[in-house]
Amino acid sequence: GAVVSQHPSRVICKSGTSVKIECRSLDFQATTMFWYRQFPKQSLMLMATSNEGSKATYEQGVEKDKFLINHASLTLSTLTVTSAHPEDSSFYICSAIGRNYGYTFGSGTRLTVV
Amino acid sequence: GENVEQHPSTLSVQEGDSAVIKCTYSDSASNYFPWYKQELGKRPQLIIDIRSNVGEKKDQRIAVTLNKTAKHFSLHITETQPEDSAVYFCAAGGTSYGKLTFGQGTILTVHP
Repeated sequence: GAVVSQHPSRVICKSGTSVKIECRSLDFQATTMFWYRQFPKQSLMLMATSNEGSKATYEQGVEKDKFLINHASLTLSTLTVTSAHPEDSSFYICSAIGRNYGYTFGSGTRLTVV
Repeated sequence: GENVEQHPSTLSVQEGDSAVIKCTYSDSASNYFPWYKQELGKRPQLIIDIRSNVGEKKDQRIAVTLNKTAKHFSLHITETQPEDSAVYFCAAGGTSYGKLTFGQGTILTVHP
């Protein structure tokens, strides 16, 4: 079946630094990637949608200059949290779709900013 | 945009009982309604889904019903087992695998 590999699974960074999260589709071409954020005991909130080769579309209230999304190839999408602060600590998860492949979630990244 | 409301937020049942979780949605254009099970720190796992041209779908102990007129859909789990304990999310999406909007989640606890 379809697999999306997400790395890292956990990361701890200092306040003010940047963190990059990668999602790779291993056996299909991900034409669209959705990026979600999930705070403890809460639901998945969509942050942005990216289509391969296009600029990402951000949801209302999500700062595009803080959460940089790149989807330069059909198998790789990245989310960079710039100038991270403790309030950015959360579980970040990607979900990819491709031709003949429905929503396939990555394994998630637990980000802790100290 | 789409708004999905999910109830109850917590549900506690005895092993062998049935569990029902309900969701309502606001956008009549939504036509894809998946249900996910998520264990702590893990990715959501699709357990069943339904499209708007179908009123009911069943897979062993799990069933989903959809009422498009009333804009609500429900998850039914029969003969619950302790391993069914997890957080369950409903979601609604539009055509051609557009974005999904998730409900708030239900913490299901099945007591042995």
